[in-house]
Amino acid sequence: KAGVTQTPRYLIKTRGQQVTLSCSPISGHRSVSWYQQTPGQGLQFLFEYFSETQRNKGNFPGRFSGRQFSNSRSEMNVSTLELGDSALYLCASSRRWGDEQYFGPGTRLTVT
Amino acid sequence: QKEVEQNSGPLSVPEGAIASLNCTYSDRGSQSFFWYRQYSGKSPELIMSIYSNGDKEDGRFTAQLNKASQYVSLLIRDSQPSDSATYLCAASGGSNYKLTFGKGTLLTVNP
Repeated sequence: KAGVTQTPRYLIKTRGQQVTLSCSPISGHRSVSWYQQTPGQGLQFLFEYFSETQRNKGNFPGRFSGRQFSNSRSEMNVSTLELGDSALYLCASSRRWGDEQYFGPGTRLTVT
Repeated sequence: QKEVEQNSGPLSVPEGAIASLNCTYSDRGSQSFFWYRQYSGKSPELIMSIYSNGDKEDGRFTAQLNKASQYVSLLIRDSQPSDSATYLCAASGGSNYKLTFGKGTLLTVNP
């Protein structure tokens, strides 16, 4: 069974730009969660989607948004990029909320 | 605010020894607990899940759960240098089932 895939794997953007990251969950998984990981900060929860509905949201500014499609694929968008948004963005899927989550390889975003 | 606490380490053990990783959680409603391993520059990989009080063994790994003490641990027997990684503890449950991660413990196994 294919794992969680994320595209692109690496991205370099400049301040003020926006970016869209994509995540395809494991087949049969309907829940997708997004995390930001920076050195020293651990995994910071962004949001969780289940059946196209946002179930949970972390403490991030409104510049961070996401959505989920009917095929469970998910995207997250960051507008007006700041230097501090440079991080590894991880997507994880599970069958439903509360279940074991399986992570994709991540998207490494660098903002210059 | 639900919290999962881990000793950041680093925890250093010699090859062949038992590594013991500990985690406490604040939400008594938590029902599911997970251990992830993350190698430097890689994404977290699920290695164990535990839902009931007691021990659960999988190969060299044993997860232990004590809900009364709100404590979860991971034992790694016969530690190998390839076990050197950051280990993340996570808990879910309560009203919204959001998975909450600890900040991780860095384990170094010395040959």
